[in-house]
Amino acid sequence: DAKTTQPTSMDCAEGRAANLPCNHSTISGNEYVYWYRQIHSQGPQYIIHGLKNNETNEMASLIITEDRKSSTLILPHATLRDTAVYYCIVRPYYGNNRLAFGKGNQVVVIP
Amino acid sequence: GAGVSQSPSNKVTEKGKDVELRCDPISGHTALYWYRQRLGQGLEFLIYFQGNSAPDKSGLPSDRFSAERTGESVSTLTIQRTQQEDSAVYLCASSLAGSPLHFGNGTRLTVT
Repeated sequence: DAKTTQPTSMDCAEGRAANLPCNHSTISGNEYVYWYRQIHSQGPQYIIHGLKNNETNEMASLIITEDRKSSTLILPHATLRDTAVYYCIVRPYYGNNRLAFGKGNQVVVIP
Repeated sequence: GAGVSQSPSNKVTEKGKDVELRCDPISGHTALYWYRQRLGQGLEFLIYFQGNSAPDKSGLPSDRFSAERTGESVSTLTIQRTQQEDSAVYLCASSLAGSPLHFGNGTRLTVT
């Protein structure tokens, strides 16, 4: 029941900014956009989330369009350790707060 | 160890045996989730606890699967009469209400 669309895979150059797109055209007003990543053989790792304003933390920046129908996760300086499957998820703040994971975007950082 | 802890990290069992998987959430986290991830696949939701109650069990694939949580802390996922299709990584996550989920590294279950 994932409500987001992401590329299946993409390559990024080490040291460059990596821009990961996500479409969520049916997002509801009370739903946040969350980003997680999963490095091989580990559990998913929380990256960032936002409602409508752009957000930045020590890991990444999240840019959400004004209509909230799409967003972009930006890794400012990609490293080889950023190679992972990245998941874009919409999740309501209240109620059952489970995350519905789709297939994600396999991002490979190339030296 | 402030993160979510799962044990065992690996479990190999024979078809037909019962298994118990344990999750120790982050202290104080009221919500707890179980997910399953088959090889090369995405995460599949199993069950959600709020405190010791499970308001959403919709993801449990059959009545061979059950879970409980006690003391608003530890949770156990039990699979009875295991089948080969139960082979997967079982992931546990915990959170405060409305806050991001924090995942453990999972239990890799192999049914032979």
